[in-house]
Amino acid sequence: DAGVIQSPRHEVTEMGQEVTLRCKPISGHNSLFWYRQTMMRGLELLIYFNNNVPIDDSGMPEDRFSAKMPNASFSTLKIQPSEPRDSAVYFCASSFRSGDTEAFFGQGTRLTVV
Amino acid sequence: QQPVQSPQAVILREGEDAVINCSSSKALYSVHWYRQKHGEAPVFLMILLKGGEQKGHEKISASFNEKKQQSSLYLTASQLSYSGTYFCGTELNAGNMLTFGGGTRLMVKP
Repeated sequence: DAGVIQSPRHEVTEMGQEVTLRCKPISGHNSLFWYRQTMMRGLELLIYFNNNVPIDDSGMPEDRFSAKMPNASFSTLKIQPSEPRDSAVYFCASSFRSGDTEAFFGQGTRLTVV
Repeated sequence: QQPVQSPQAVILREGEDAVINCSSSKALYSVHWYRQKHGEAPVFLMILLKGGEQKGHEKISASFNEKKQQSSLYLTASQLSYSGTYFCGTELNAGNMLTFGGGTRLMVKP
């Protein structure tokens, strides 16, 4: 398996624009996580899906952020409208939730909002 | 729910030992340890389940004190390749979401 695949790797956008980040989890994994990483706040959990269903989105900072998982092999994180403070590295991770399994991280998307 | 890590940063010479701690105010089901190198994604090191077990990975091992809800990561005879930021992640229940601590930056110098 190629691992967790995220796209794009880098995104530079202007304030106010819509941004969509994409993630393809490892085949067979039934849990998916979106994280945001910044120097100030570290690695923050934004949302957690299990079997394509959002289980906990309490980490989503505000209504400008939304995430979907239409099927087991694809998820998106959308920011609309984007703001400079959204600049961060966004990671997607997936795992097979049998109770004691590791999470595999994608390479991340570095988002810069100018 | 975010676990607390200490120290925030450690500087070592090659061959020295280090301990990184992770604590939670809530009862934990599991503790995960990851290492992240600059510009890369976090990489899994090990998982500890409640029960106080200790695990090892080369010269890196960890323990989990269920009563105290604390886990410690032990790095012995450190190597240059150990440099990076170490994160602990915690789950409150099996299949629950994985929440990470603030990280401990480790630098190993020759």
